[in-house]
Amino acid sequence: NAGVTQTPKFQVLKTGQSMTLQCAQDMNHEYMSWYRQDPGMGLRLIHYSVGAGITDQGEVPNGYNVSRSTTEDFPLRLLSAAPSQTSVYFCASSPTLFLAGGKEQYFGPGTRLTVT
Amino acid sequence: KNQVEQSPQSLIILEGKNCTLQCNYTVSPFSNLRWYKQDTGRGPVSLTIMTFSENTKSNGRYTATLDADTKQSSLHITASQLSDSASYICVVSARDSNYQLIWGAGTKLIIKP
Repeated sequence: NAGVTQTPKFQVLKTGQSMTLQCAQDMNHEYMSWYRQDPGMGLRLIHYSVGAGITDQGEVPNGYNVSRSTTEDFPLRLLSAAPSQTSVYFCASSPTLFLAGGKEQYFGPGTRLTVT
Repeated sequence: KNQVEQSPQSLIILEGKNCTLQCNYTVSPFSNLRWYKQDTGRGPVSLTIMTFSENTKSNGRYTATLDADTKQSSLHITASQLSDSASYICVVSARDSNYQLIWGAGTKLIIKP
């Protein structure tokens, strides 16, 4: 099992450009999510999905779009990049949405994005 | 407001020494508390998960404690190794409609030889 994979590992964009961060998991998990991690702050949830065809907004969704056409893939699209979106982005997956009773959440290696 | 505060922000200790990291939370209603280890340039990896009824949980040289009454948790690392250098993140899950996760900012631990 590869677990959760993310591409690219690094990316530099100019303000106004768009791009898609890729995320895939091979554990047949229903729940996938995108976080951003900024210095001195906890991870913040951008969007999440509870299954193919179902997505919802997290804490900081503005400027980002997601779709979930298959169980395995959950891409994150930046519509018009802004310097405030400079961050490290993590994709995660877990068997269920409800992380009760010790359900594990697995993270990808991250994408470091710089917007100039 | 649901919050998770961690201390210290950073810590430097010598290899072989013990250390304790702190986590205070105001999350209610409480579901569970997790400690993650995040190596530089990597995603977080779960160390322990504790529910309301558990007050101690170990994973090798890592021991987490939970006091649900005072809403405090600690992560104790015994006989530190260079590979323990990482950020340690406390995450509390709220027992609400979607078990929202509230993330602490982490403690950056550096182990010096």
